[in-house]
Amino acid sequence: DTEVTQTPKHLVMGMTNKKSLKCEQHMGHRAMYWYKQKAKKPPELMFVYSYEKLSINESVPSRFSPECPNSSLLNLHLHALQPEDSALYLCASEGGRTDTQYFGPGTRLTVL
Amino acid sequence: SQQGEEDPQALSIQEGENATMNCSYKTSINNLQWYRQNSGRGLVHLILIRSNEREKHSGRLRVTLDTSKKSSSLLITASRAADTASYFCATGTGGFKTIFGAGTRLFVKA
Repeated sequence: DTEVTQTPKHLVMGMTNKKSLKCEQHMGHRAMYWYKQKAKKPPELMFVYSYEKLSINESVPSRFSPECPNSSLLNLHLHALQPEDSALYLCASEGGRTDTQYFGPGTRLTVL
Repeated sequence: SQQGEEDPQALSIQEGENATMNCSYKTSINNLQWYRQNSGRGLVHLILIRSNEREKHSGRLRVTLDTSKKSSSLLITASRAADTASYFCATGTGGFKTIFGAGTRLFVKA
């Protein structure tokens, strides 16, 4: 099974809402990633969990907070977002130090 | 700053023609990968070439890597309408950090 699943597929939220994005993989991969992608731009790395250790892109605002309940799950908690945070949020996983990532289909987020 | 820069930004060709996309990068790498993304979807890994390799093939794909010029190219032969997508190069430097280039949007006309 080489599938990475993400829920929900679409999310519309107000600036005062709290929501979470979920990502799951069952490939036994020990590294999972969150990326943000704006239209016609490349994915930008937000967070990496590798072997249960978190690495953060320093430019990511604190209104995004990742959580890794176990090695198969990765959540992204959203709070007090801004309209400019509207984007496609992609989750990926990687098995070992291969640099080959498997991506989920993404969550299309719209902040009103 | 972006590690990988790609050209052209957009490419439009007829079905059956070959498509070539180029990628340049700035620092030393362990490997370079190419991904495809259909509109608004997740990325799909196409091929990985290691820093000690010069050329690699996978089906209709041919990738070259020139570490002295810090550049790579992706050739898609006998293109099909289904190849219409955005193509990204990505550099791997180890340490679970992959940086994506700006991407090339390929449109194959039937």
